[in-house]
Amino acid sequence: AQTVTQSQPEMSVQEAETVTLSCTYDTSESDYYLFWYKQPPSRQMILVIRQEAYKQQNATENRFSVNFQKAAKSFSLKISDSQLGDAAMYFCAYRSPYTGTASKLTFGTGTRLQVML
Amino acid sequence: EAEVAQSPRYKITEKSQAVAFWCDPISGHATLYWYRQILGQGPELLVQFQDESVVDDSQLPKDRFSAERLKGVDSTLKIQPAELGDSAMYLCASSTHRGFPYEQYFGPGTRLTVT
Repeated sequence: AQTVTQSQPEMSVQEAETVTLSCTYDTSESDYYLFWYKQPPSRQMILVIRQEAYKQQNATENRFSVNFQKAAKSFSLKISDSQLGDAAMYFCAYRSPYTGTASKLTFGTGTRLQVML
Repeated sequence: EAEVAQSPRYKITEKSQAVAFWCDPISGHATLYWYRQILGQGPELLVQFQDESVVDDSQLPKDRFSAERLKGVDSTLKIQPAELGDSAMYLCASSTHRGFPYEQYFGPGTRLTVT
């Protein structure tokens, strides 16, 4: 079974600064997908960024980028130019490449990000 | 923009009572998921539907939990009887076979408190 570990329960960053959230995972599969989800207080979880394991190039979405190290099974999220609206719980998640029963997401325990003025 | 709808948003119930949650996925999404998120933890899958069929309920406590998606559209998750340990956020998500890689869209969740 796959596992996802987020070792930073809480992080804080100054507005306009850069912060990196860590995630490691364990799997025996060679192909898979990795995601970062954002869960603002009392609001639904939304997808921030995704990475296909077969792609060597790190994914980027505006101020959000990942550092995907497949051999190390590491998948960190970098948020540049942090904004107050970035304050939320961030979850790293793993998904097998198959449909059906293997399509569920396996989540880490989350990192609470605080953005300071 | 289409969203996953859930109701109620908040529910307080007493131990041993029955409780039900409702989810309406994004129109056209064939796959529907129910996740449970205990405070301080990440969501964990309870049950997954493909149209009206259950494809994974291995983590669903079947002695007290039940889920249905009768017409392959909206879904209901029921707990009877509720226990103190059931206090959690219950998230519904949906996805489509089309589009890569079957991104899951989440609803706002139902926060259950069992007293």
